Amino acid sequence: KQEVTQIPAALSVPEGENLVLNCSFTDSAIYNLQWFRQDPGKGLTSLLLIQSSQREQTSGRLNASLDKSSGRSTLYIAASQPGDSATYLCAVSVHYIDTDKLIFGTGTRLQVFP
Amino acid sequence: GAGVSQTPSNKVTEKGKYVELRCDPISGHTALYWYRQSLGQGPEFLIYFQGTGAADDSGLPNDRFFAVRPEGSVSTLKIQRTERGDSAVYLCASSLSSPAGHNEQFFGPGTRLTVL
Repeated sequence: KQEVTQIPAALSVPEGENLVLNCSFTDSAIYNLQWFRQDPGKGLTSLLLIQSSQREQTSGRLNASLDKSSGRSTLYIAASQPGDSATYLCAVSVHYIDTDKLIFGTGTRLQVFP
Repeated sequence: GAGVSQTPSNKVTEKGKYVELRCDPISGHTALYWYRQSLGQGPEFLIYFQGTGAADDSGLPNDRFFAVRPEGSVSTLKIQRTERGDSAVYLCASSLSSPAGHNEQFFGPGTRLTVL
């Protein structure tokens, strides 16, 4: 059974710091991995999607890497800003019979203070 | 174009009542998913539709939960005899044709269900 773990559970940093959020998964048979942002009381916003054949994806100050064989992904946030404060979720896409479903971690709650 | 929309945004009901939650996927997306997110947890898969049919309902917690998608677009998640443990945010997502394993899922804002 696929399990996704995110470390740390919570992080509080001053603005300007470079951050690394970690995600690990137990079964390397994934199709892709997505990083999402969730603001309090809101839905999920997709940040980056890495296909299983890819090693990394970049969008602005965000960079996500994927090491499928070791079951790990990292989300790197450069020069953090207070507006980055949110919960960050990673999810792996797995294929069971006729389904592509996302298996989520429990998230990292990030607070960036001025 | 418009993203995934869900109504209502909030629903408060009493224990034992029946509720319906609606999801409008992105136009042209044939795959539709329901997830449930309890406080402090990541979303958990409930059910997946490919077109009109429920291809996988293995995530539904019990027979009080049911979902339909009669015309292959809008979907309704129905919960009978609600219990306090059903309180959560119910998220809907859609994607292009699946199973392909390579399509990004786009999420709606969710419906926050509170059962008193």
